[in-house]
Amino acid sequence: GQNIDQPTEMTATEGAIVQINCTYQTSGFNGLFWYQQHAGEAPTFLSYNVLDGLEEKGRFSSFLSRSKGYSYLLLKELQMKDSASYLCAFKDSNYQLIWGAGTKLIIKP
Amino acid sequence: GAVVSQHPSWVICKSGTSVKIECRSLDFQATTMFWYRQFPKQSLMLMATSNEGSKATYEQGVEKDKFLINHASLTLSTLTVTSAHPEDSSFYICSARDPTSGDTGELFFGEGSRLTVL
Repeated sequence: GQNIDQPTEMTATEGAIVQINCTYQTSGFNGLFWYQQHAGEAPTFLSYNVLDGLEEKGRFSSFLSRSKGYSYLLLKELQMKDSASYLCAFKDSNYQLIWGAGTKLIIKP
Repeated sequence: GAVVSQHPSWVICKSGTSVKIECRSLDFQATTMFWYRQFPKQSLMLMATSNEGSKATYEQGVEKDKFLINHASLTLSTLTVTSAHPEDSSFYICSARDPTSGDTGELFFGEGSRLTVL
């Protein structure tokens, strides 16, 4: 079967670093996405990993380990505007996106 | 990046009426669009895949006769919620892939439509 799991909620302090983990199980894998979604808005693309390793994009980095079925999103120098839900999703063997439930990130001053 | 526009952003309707939501790809042609529903504090739930010129593919548990999808052109897909009831109140989001944007298969999302059925 397929499943994907990420923490429901996390809290971090402005200026700090936070890592949001995502684990998945699937027989077919064609890449993993991270999206950011502010309350009441549509998701926006953050990153895409298809190979193992770390992809860095400004304050945000995403890591993938295919053998472990594991990814994380790393946010540095947190800003209040980073308060949002972060959704991970993988593409299965049929190239369908399987979505996690999202991690609500709360940033405190 | 590619732009997907959705209309209306907000709609309030009476129980029993029908509501149409439009999803347009503004700067690319989308042979396939995806319709999602999202309840408060929950993740995206794929409702159906809209295919230009053919019937939509619905996910298990989604009523075809209640959620009518039409994809008449390469830039427009519509979702009609028929005989809406309060339990249909939700955030509906469409998305599409730009076939010219590379191999990532990144989804571009519309702004979403918040439906409230009274």
